[in-house]
Amino acid sequence: GAVVSQHPSRVICKSGTSVKIECRSLDFQATTMFWYRQFPKQSLMLMATSNEGSKATYEQGVEKDKFLINHASLTLSTLTVTSAHPEDSSFYICSARAPGGALSYEQYFGPGTRLTVT
Amino acid sequence: AQKVTQAQTEISVVEKEDVTLDCVYETRDTTYYLFWYKQPPSGELVFLIRRNSFDEQNEISGRYSWNFQKSTSSFNFTITASQVVDSAVYFCALSDLGLVNKLSFGAGTTVTVRA
Repeated sequence: GAVVSQHPSRVICKSGTSVKIECRSLDFQATTMFWYRQFPKQSLMLMATSNEGSKATYEQGVEKDKFLINHASLTLSTLTVTSAHPEDSSFYICSARAPGGALSYEQYFGPGTRLTVT
Repeated sequence: AQKVTQAQTEISVVEKEDVTLDCVYETRDTTYYLFWYKQPPSGELVFLIRRNSFDEQNEISGRYSWNFQKSTSSFNFTITASQVVDSAVYFCALSDLGLVNKLSFGAGTTVTVRA
């Protein structure tokens, strides 16, 4: 149980275009999902916290107009990188918090999406 | 603010050697969770353990063991009799017990096990 999928696993796009990454909780409902970015040989950096039905909360330094997050249902959150540039090339990972409210501290991670902007 | 420090950037060992990964954390919270994750070359994070701040008992799971020392704010991880399949990046992480439970990750330690 508690499986999180991401689509696509890899994407190559041209500079200036937008790309959408989907994060789905397959067998549970996730009221909260998290989006992380990981540059090569670096740690995971939290970009934003996504709550179903409300606006995402972005971490300091993350441009909310560039990284659009939509959490329209309890099983799907999307991250859209708008007007992508080569410096946006990274490994994007989502996680979903398991049900149970504040007492459930488990985050289940997706397999990641490798974005390359040419 | 929460902070996790993994001072070891890379560790290289020969198969069957033991390897210990250090993790030191900082938090103002009196209650919190600590985690270890493994990230193999495929990139997918693999959950290894979660430990809450109430429980300072050490834990062993197969070849893995964890030493939680609240007095020194450390949560070290030991792999006994390492194997090539243990080669990966290992991350220590810290989470508060609030409504959001954001995870703060350490920089990670790359473990290379040579045959």
